Amino acid sequence: DAGVIQSPRHEVTEMGQEVTLRCKPISGHDYLFWYRQTMMRGLELLIYFNNNVPIDDSGMPEDRFSAKMPNASFSTLKIQPSEPRDSAVYFCASSFAQGRTGELFFGEGSRLTVL
Amino acid sequence: AQTVTQSQPEMSVQEAETVTLSCTYDTSENNYYLFWYKQPPSRQMILVIRQEAYKQQNATENRFSVNFQKAAKSFSLKISDSQLGDTAMYFCAFMSYTSGTYKYIFGTGTRLKVLA
Repeated sequence: DAGVIQSPRHEVTEMGQEVTLRCKPISGHDYLFWYRQTMMRGLELLIYFNNNVPIDDSGMPEDRFSAKMPNASFSTLKIQPSEPRDSAVYFCASSFAQGRTGELFFGEGSRLTVL
Repeated sequence: AQTVTQSQPEMSVQEAETVTLSCTYDTSENNYYLFWYKQPPSRQMILVIRQEAYKQQNATENRFSVNFQKAAKSFSLKISDSQLGDTAMYFCAFMSYTSGTYKYIFGTGTRLKVLA
């Protein structure tokens, strides 16, 4: 398996623009997580899905952020409109609950810079 | 609420020496898992070692071992014979899984630099 795949790796945009980050989890994994990493706040859980259903979105900072998982092999995190304080590295991770190991498999992250 | 604390923002160690990274956590749950993840400069996070709370024996993975003190809620990582490739950010993480609900919390990380 290719692992968790995220795109784009880097995104530079201007304030007010819409940003869409994409994630393809490992095939067969039933949990998908979106994290945001900044120097100030470390790794923050934004939202996670189980079998494509959002379970906990309490970490989503505000209504400008939305996440979807239309099928088991694809998820998006959208920011509209973007602001400079959204600049961060966004990680997607997937997990297989029945394996009971608890390990999260991370993508390489999407570095977002909002000017 | 669960919390994970890493009190050492940065550490350095000479190559071939041993270093210990500290982690404490707080939870009222009895069944949970603890992890150490490594994030090298290339950014992708990878699992280093995991520990099930119900196991008394400390986990080991080659040069990596943990000192798990459940009563003290302490979970330190020892890296023996440090190598330059161990230079990375290390995150301690707590996980519990109950009735289909995950709690997965990371500490703020310790930046480790291995010196030649």
